[in-house]
Amino acid sequence: QLQLQESGPGLVKPSDTLSLTCTVSGGSISSTSYYWGWIRQPPGKGLEWIGNIYYSGITDYNPSLKSRVTISVDTSKNQFSLKLNSVTAADTAVYYCARHIASKDYYYMDVWGRGTTVTVSS
Amino acid sequence: EIVLTQSPGTLSLSPGERATLSCRASQSVRSSYVAWYQQKPGQAPRLLIYGTSSRATGIPDRFSGSGSGTDFTLTISRLEPEDFGVYYCHQYDSSVLTFGGGTKVEIK
Repeated sequence: QLQLQESGPGLVKPSDTLSLTCTVSGGSISSTSYYWGWIRQPPGKGLEWIGNIYYSGITDYNPSLKSRVTISVDTSKNQFSLKLNSVTAADTAVYYCARHIASKDYYYMDVWGRGTTVTVSS
Repeated sequence: EIVLTQSPGTLSLSPGERATLSCRASQSVRSSYVAWYQQKPGQAPRLLIYGTSSRATGIPDRFSGSGSGTDFTLTISRLEPEDFGVYYCHQYDSSVLTFGGGTKVEIK
């Protein structure tokens, strides 16, 4: 059974870089059928897609975050990562990693991690 | 960027009643790229519907999706107490995914 687990600091200072890792277990991140991505949810608000990555390193990003975001993949560790630089309080959120089904026929996220809370504060 | 507007914001219904949730796009979207999720407090979203009308694995048949163009609907035919939560639609276009703002379903 595929599982995703987010990890990283729960507290980040303003202007610093937020770094999170998603570890994939029960399946290979190198599968050609899937993309892997990040979604966030500020407290009491809705979902915001951050971006995704293919095992080869191809990425798509939300245009509103593109200038500050980098998503990378480490196939040897079955992990992918998120870096968001120059953070402010507005980046405080629960961050989820998720498996993306992305093909010419469908696009959706079918397996999600439990989420990790990141607070931006000095 | 395509904007998705979900309505109503909140739906208060009794068990056994029918729930109809709307997701309207600012321009026509590809039906195969529309999906719906359920989220309960403190939990990650759960995939319900993909490709506008295909139920995800393990989703009861009381959940159904329909629509095309700019108007999409999630219907819960007979509400069960466990169906409370917030429901989100999404669409994917030109390498960008956007979510609707959500509809909260409250069980009376």
